[in-house]
Parts: sequence; structure tokens; C-alpha cells
Amino acid sequence: GDSVTQMEGPVTLSEEAFLTINCTYTATGYPSLFWYVQYPGEGLQLLLKATKADDKGSNKGFEATYRKETTSFHLEKGSVQVSDSAVYFCALVSNTGNQFYFGTGTSLTVIP
Amino acid sequence: DGGITQSPKYLFRKEGQNVTLSCEQNLNHDAMYWYRQDPGQGLRLIYYSQIVNDFQKGDIAEGYSVSREKKESFPLTVTSAQKNPTAFYLCASGTALRTDTQYFGPGTRLTVL
Repeated sequence: GDSVTQMEGPVTLSEEAFLTINCTYTATGYPSLFWYVQYPGEGLQLLLKATKADDKGSNKGFEATYRKETTSFHLEKGSVQVSDSAVYFCALVSNTGNQFYFGTGTSLTVIP
Repeated sequence: DGGITQSPKYLFRKEGQNVTLSCEQNLNHDAMYWYRQDPGQGLRLIYYSQIVNDFQKGDIAEGYSVSREKKESFPLTVTSAQKNPTAFYLCASGTALRTDTQYFGPGTRLTVL
């Protein structure tokens, strides 16, 4: 079945460091891919998405490219800030749109 | 403002009691979802509904029940049959189109004493 695997945390970085959080997926057909962010005690917010191969999603300095050949959707940011500290979830939705599949989340802490 | 509301934010119940968590949306979405979140386990789907008066079990439906009498509302009941109900519960809604995101509520933290 469809699934998402993302790198385990926690990840701790200094401010202005480069961030990569790896995400790979297994799916039939052509899923859409998403990154969500969750701040403590809150629900998930959409960070970015890509709906077809080679699409690049971007938002707030974060980027991720839909790579069908490597079944990956890695999240990157060139210079993290303390305010980026949160849990990040990779997710896919199947062809039919019926169900989302989430990774286990990666906790990021950025220290000044 | 459009969005999803969940109430209450925190809920405490004694073991053996049923409890109902509220979820309301004014986004005119057909599909609604309930997830359970435990530390280190990501989100697990409990139930989802794509249309009024219809719903399907997700991966961990045992010990839970839902209803969908109105498009805007999708309450979740945690029954006494749920072995380990203490968790953070998230409601979401969406269009169920493959290119579209789900929108999440702020969550309810349930603690069973």
C-alpha cells in the first residue's frame, strides 16, 4: 500500500544553518505530495505541496521537489531561524484523493 | 473567517466513560477526517467521511464511533472499549481532490484518568 518514510529526528541546528529533512514514498500511480508543519499544541498547517513529477513546492524559504525517479520529496531551507522550530510531516494523497498518508514527523529545534 | 474548530482544547475523563469530541467546519468541504496522534507515531487515521450520512473506518477505528448528520459537523466518540484513549486528536477537512490539501483543526488533547 501507499506509505511515506521520513527521516527520524530530533534534528538540532544552529540559526542560519542549512536544513534537509528526507522523505521518500511508496505509491501506485501519481500521488500528490505535501509537507506540513506543526507547532507545539497545535494542528498541522500546510507548508508546501507538489502535485506532479518535477514540480517544486516552495513557501517561507522552504522548498521541496517531487522526484519520481527516486520517489523522494526532501524538504530544504537554506538558512533556518529559531521560529522554524517545529515538527515537520511529509504526506501523500493517493490517486483517488480519498486518503492521506503521513510520515512519523521530524522534530526540528533551531538554537540561537 | 473560514476554518475548522475543535472543542474542547483539553478534556479529562475517568476510565470507563464515553466522551465525544466536537469538530465543525465552515469551509464547505465534503470530506472530513479524524486522526489520532501519539508521540513518535505520526498521525493515524481513525475514521473519514466523504459525504453526509456516510463514513468509513480508518486504520485504528476500534473503540471509536462517528456520525455525519450535517456537512459541517463530524463528532468523534471515544468509547470505553478503546484500550488506550489518552492522545491528541486532530480533525481535518478537505475536498478529497488529489491535488488539494487537508485543513486541520487545532486539536483536542484527551487524558483519561
